[in-house]
Amino acid sequence: KAGVTQTPRYLIKTRGQQVTLSCSPISGHRSVSWYQQTPGQGLQFLFEYFSETQRNKGNFPGRFSGRQFSNSRSEMNVSTLELGDSALYLCASSLIGREDQYFGPGTRLLVL
Amino acid sequence: SQKIEQNSEALNIQEGKTATLTCNYTNYSPAYLQWYRQDPGRGPVFLLLIRENEKEKRKERLKVTFDTTLKQSLFHITASQPADSATYLCALEDYGQNFVFGPGTRLSVLP
Repeated sequence: KAGVTQTPRYLIKTRGQQVTLSCSPISGHRSVSWYQQTPGQGLQFLFEYFSETQRNKGNFPGRFSGRQFSNSRSEMNVSTLELGDSALYLCASSLIGREDQYFGPGTRLLVL
Repeated sequence: SQKIEQNSEALNIQEGKTATLTCNYTNYSPAYLQWYRQDPGRGPVFLLLIRENEKEKRKERLKVTFDTTLKQSLFHITASQPADSATYLCALEDYGQNFVFGPGTRLSVLP
């Protein structure tokens, strides 16, 4: 079966702009989680969605938001971009929670 | 404060030997702990999960142990091969619904 897909794969934005990233989970997976990965902070949990509801949230400012659609596809949005938001954003899907997650290839965001 | 640490940033071992990676945590009560492998430029790949009431899990050449008294998990790769070279990450979810990854250990298996 097809894996987790993320679009776009690469993105360049400038400070103050906003960005929307998209994630399509594996068919049948209802849980989608988002992570930020940077060399300094490592892999950090952003939020988890299950059946269109945010179930868990990490310690990130309100500029980071997300949503999940009825087909389990998810988007995350970052508003008022800062230089420090430059990172690899990873999406992961699983059947019901954060166990045994399948990760996508990530979206690499560069903020100038 | 809460911390999750992996024993070393990098580990070099000879092909055929057993690689042992360590994950230690402080001030978490994990419901379970997971190990992932990540290759450069790719997303992590799930390897093994061990729950708080389990002592050991195995999958092919991989073995993970979990000691809640020591607050430590050990991840072993037996008969290591150059293809096992990657960064290995531990991750835990605790009863407070925190979900955290360790910083990772970059393993190099030398032929």
